[in-house]
Amino acid sequence: NAGVTQTPKFRVLKTGQSMTLLCAQDMNHEYMYWYRQDPGMGLRLIHYSVGEGTTAKGEVPDGYNVSRLKKQNFLLGLESAAPSQTSVYFCASSQTGNEQFFGPGTRLTVL
Amino acid sequence: EDQVTQSPEALRLQEGESSSLNCSYTVSGLRGLFWYRQDPGKGPEFLFTLYSAGEEKEKERLKATLTKKESFLHITAPKPEDSATYLCAVPDAGGTSYGKLTFGQGTILTVHP
Repeated sequence: NAGVTQTPKFRVLKTGQSMTLLCAQDMNHEYMYWYRQDPGMGLRLIHYSVGEGTTAKGEVPDGYNVSRLKKQNFLLGLESAAPSQTSVYFCASSQTGNEQFFGPGTRLTVL
Repeated sequence: EDQVTQSPEALRLQEGESSSLNCSYTVSGLRGLFWYRQDPGKGPEFLFTLYSAGEEKEKERLKATLTKKESFLHITAPKPEDSATYLCAVPDAGGTSYGKLTFGQGTILTVHP
C-alpha cells in the first residue's frame, strides 16, 4: 500500500498563476483533509471532506478550492496564487476522523 | 476558541537523558488528544490517542499521559533517532468534529549522541 501520496512534491508559481495539488489514498478512508504548515503557525486546516462528493471549509479556506469527485482523491486548487500562499501543504486521510495518515507534503513557493 | 500550547519550543538532550514534553489545551469537553511525530521534510506520523484523564499509552521509549488540562510525552533514555518535532492536537469541540484538529506548534527534540 502506498498510503497517502501527493503530487507534485515541489512547485514554484508566479503571482496570479493557478495550479492544482493532487492527493490520493489507497486505504479506502472516508475523511480527507488539506493542511498548510508555516513556521510559527503550525498545521492549519484548509478544507476537508467527509466522503465522496462532499467538501467543507476549515480554518483557513480563503483563496483555495477543493473537490472530491472520487473517494480516493482530494484535489486542492489555487485559482490565483499569492505570495501568502507560499507554504508546505499536507494532505491526510482517516477512516474515523481520529488517527490521520499524512502524505509527504508539497512545498509551494509563490513569487 | 480551542487553544493548544506546547512547551518547550525546542529541547536538546544527550543520549540517555530522559525528559518530558508538555501539551496544554483549553477546550471544553475534550474528545481526545493526539500525539504525532514529524521528521524533517516529511508528513506527521501518528503516535498516540488519549481519551480520558489518567490514561497512559506507551510505544518503545515514549509514554504519553493525560490530565484534565494537559498531556505529557515522556521520553525515557532517548536515542538520536528520536530526534524529530513532536506535535499534539485536539479535535474541535461541539457537535461532530469530523476529525477537524487544532494542532500545537510542536516541540523540536534533538538528541545528541
